[in-house]
Amino acid sequence: ETGVTQTPRHLVMGMTNKKSLKCEQHLGHNAMYWYKQSAKKPLELMFVYNFKEQTENNSVPSRFSPECPNSSHLFLHLHTLQPEDSALYLCASSQDLREGNEQFFGPGTRLTVL
Amino acid sequence: SQKIEQNSEALNIQEGKTATLTCNYTNYSPAYLQWYRQDPGRGPVFLLLIRENEKEKRKERLKVTFDTTLKQSLFHITASQPADSATYLCALHKFYFGSGTKLNVKP
Repeated sequence: ETGVTQTPRHLVMGMTNKKSLKCEQHLGHNAMYWYKQSAKKPLELMFVYNFKEQTENNSVPSRFSPECPNSSHLFLHLHTLQPEDSALYLCASSQDLREGNEQFFGPGTRLTVL
Repeated sequence: SQKIEQNSEALNIQEGKTATLTCNYTNYSPAYLQWYRQDPGRGPVFLLLIRENEKEKRKERLKVTFDTTLKQSLFHITASQPADSATYLCALHKFYFGSGTKLNVKP
């Protein structure tokens, strides 16, 4: 158990649905991240939050909307997704954004968009 | 922008041998480089960090080297075991990951 949990673990949704991914970390960290991992591609950074403030938005389409209500929780709200958005969505946390801090990853949510 | 290259072909080795994985990058040298392990259906797990002023870092059976002239890091697993079979990712700075190399250690 890495201390970072994600729910649901699997999600199938239609293109017109609205759903949310949830991430929770029990490590007392201050920075949280969303990554997208597609088959045979590198992890793509999507969003970074530090002390609940968004510090990075890596040109992510607006159909993905993050929310960080506190340092322990991170959400990714999904609406009108496309089939190419099907991927493994990983949440991670680190102590903060200082250089060299390792990231702790959750198990991911496997998303399929029909 | 920074491009990170890891061998996309799986590396197959015999148990007990040393596995060597390569991470090459373009453009500027990062201040540090990290290696992660990822098992199927799981998120990556941090293994080692090496800074630009360090030539080599060791942790148990793992060894990482960092050559800023070649713009390359090598990741070695000595006395490899079937349990070492996984995908290994290198990462530059905080956010830039390679696509990983799958290692298969055969008994």
